[in-house]
Amino acid sequence: EIVLTQSPGTLSVSPGERATLSCRASQSINSYYLAWYQQKPGQAPRLLIYGASNRATGIPDRFSGSGSGTDFTLTINRLEPEDFVVYYCQQYGSSRWTFGQGTKVEI
Amino acid sequence: QVQLQESGPGLVKPSETLSLTCTVSGSSINSHYFWGWIRQPPGKGLEWIASVYHSGSTNYNPSLKSRVTISVDTSRNQFSLRLTSLTAADTAVYYCATSSPGWFDSWGQGTLVTVSS
Repeated sequence: EIVLTQSPGTLSVSPGERATLSCRASQSINSYYLAWYQQKPGQAPRLLIYGASNRATGIPDRFSGSGSGTDFTLTINRLEPEDFVVYYCQQYGSSRWTFGQGTKVEI
Repeated sequence: QVQLQESGPGLVKPSETLSLTCTVSGSSINSHYFWGWIRQPPGKGLEWIASVYHSGSTNYNPSLKSRVTISVDTSRNQFSLRLTSLTAADTAVYYCATSSPGWFDSWGQGTLVTVSS
């Protein structure tokens, strides 16, 4: 089973700054099946990035994804107040889906 | 745009069986790769439970496989989850979602299920 480890658990940044979130897989994965989600309190997760680097429909260009193999990154430029929530990475492989434990971005 | 809505009991007793249904609107259940269930215990992260293809082919989280059944009803444009032998650890918000093909691009709003006597 592939385990996704996100770091840091909590990231403290200021509005207008850049946030860099990491997702590391326990073994190499197909980057086509690496996704990132944003979850606001009381809401369902929202797809941000799929295929490691493709923004989902309606996602602002301040969100970007990169990486390959075992190391993936979500970068959020020019942080807006609504960006201070929780982010999850997720992978699909061998007919299974797994999520990272999440990174909380706080002010 | 596809919309999903979970339905089912909010409170279930320990050792009983949970049955949840996800109703799909705005799209045929035959038109997407997979339909899945994900849960989130209060204050914790996301856990994939199971997925089903419109043909009926299924995939399960190994840690839950012995207690879970997922099925699809194309005539009603619905898919369902059945989870047996419930304990307090199964208390969570349960989401239904569609996966296309390896990421979940549309989600229901979620339904809180509490396991308690």
